[in-house]
Amino acid sequence: GAGVSQSPSNKVTEKGKDVELRCDPISGHTALYWYRQRLGQGLEFLIYFQGNSAPDKSGLPSDRFSAERTGESVSTLTIQRTQQEDSAVYLCASSSPGTGLREAFFGQGTRLTVV
Amino acid sequence: QKEVEQNSGPLSVPEGAIASLNCTYSDRGSQSFFWYRQYSGKSPELIMFIYSNGDKEDGRFTAQLNKASQYVSLLIRDSQPSDSATYLCAVSADRGSTLGRLYFGRGTQLTVWP
Repeated sequence: GAGVSQSPSNKVTEKGKDVELRCDPISGHTALYWYRQRLGQGLEFLIYFQGNSAPDKSGLPSDRFSAERTGESVSTLTIQRTQQEDSAVYLCASSSPGTGLREAFFGQGTRLTVV
Repeated sequence: QKEVEQNSGPLSVPEGAIASLNCTYSDRGSQSFFWYRQYSGKSPELIMFIYSNGDKEDGRFTAQLNKASQYVSLLIRDSQPSDSATYLCAVSADRGSTLGRLYFGRGTQLTVWP
């Protein structure tokens, strides 16, 4: 596709349920990043993939959070046993080889609301 | 913890004026500095990056970096109402093609009034 695609765009879930958020990066982009943005806050780093390996997963806030990536394509962020503090917009970004952070394009995000 | 601080604003300037957005960071090892613009309800979009001390100009935008003072700023000349958005400062310890995480400030909300 032309840009980074995230689905769903909105998700409302009950506390305690598991959710899966999906990110389709721009074709050919080897690097993929997940960030979280709580209301009124800056972006909070979660995890970064280079290909299908995750050199830096230090931002995952707890063991309820996990992410995987298939090759240099789709990534899924899974939140188990959701809590109200997980409510945020989850943003995915990708960048092409050699450009790194100079050209990281963000998707439109998934707005997660835990009720 | 690596901190990135921005004036939360809101910053309000008249159309045609210069808007000045400021950012300080705590990690002296930071190498790459980015400014993103985020319209309400939209995702961030990169507008400038800078690696070296001094100024970098791109159209109406100028990024200024002073590593000794751990300070980076963004100047918007001839501000337009369409520039009204939240501006996010981001910092990385990595440079160039070395990939890694960005540390973001909370953003400064800019309003340009006609």
